[in-house]
Amino acid sequence: SAVISQKPSRDICQRGTSLTIQCQVDSQVTMMFWYRQQPGQSLTLIATANQGSEATYESGFVIDKFPISRPNLTFSTLTVSNMSPEDSSIYLCSVSEGYEQYFGPGTRLTVT
Amino acid sequence: KQEVTQIPAALSVPEGENLVLNCSFTDSAIYNLQWFRQDPGKGLTSLLLIQSSQREQTSGRLNASLDKSSGRSTLYIAASQPGDSATYLCAVEYADSWGKFQFGAGTQVVVTP
Repeated sequence: SAVISQKPSRDICQRGTSLTIQCQVDSQVTMMFWYRQQPGQSLTLIATANQGSEATYESGFVIDKFPISRPNLTFSTLTVSNMSPEDSSIYLCSVSEGYEQYFGPGTRLTVT
Repeated sequence: KQEVTQIPAALSVPEGENLVLNCSFTDSAIYNLQWFRQDPGKGLTSLLLIQSSQREQTSGRLNASLDKSSGRSTLYIAASQPGDSATYLCAVEYADSWGKFQFGAGTQVVVTP
């Protein structure tokens, strides 16, 4: 199974700033996904990132707020821009390998 | 609208009792259904994957069934242990959204010694 790491594991940021979250996979994968888990809620898909193409965003999420890069088949970044307290969440990246989906440990973001 | 619902939202059982967690989905056209475990403040651990052509999967004390026609999956955990305490999430990959999983809200399980 794919092994996924994320950096940072947690951060506390001030309102109006931006944070870039990194996701590294130990194998080459075609599709990478970014999810958000707000406090007490389940996971919501933000976007799908394919190498060599623009990320595809789900309804309610826009590129200006959550720009994504996918420079190669093992790495992706998600930036949370112009943060507000409502962005306080756990952000998780995941990959599909075979039929299964595997998740990173998550980045816990608190916006003050 | 495609939805995934998990019942109950929370469950507390004494050690040794069997656990039954339910997941329902609104569209029978699915590729896969996957059960995850999430410990507080942690990421997700994959427990079982059931492909649309399968009716059940088993791993140790865990057994998951799938009935596409009724839009239901059930996760059974036999002889529960305090270490089974966690939130269990059901995720469905619908046929028109390949690669994307839609999650239920989860069932929070507490197993008391």
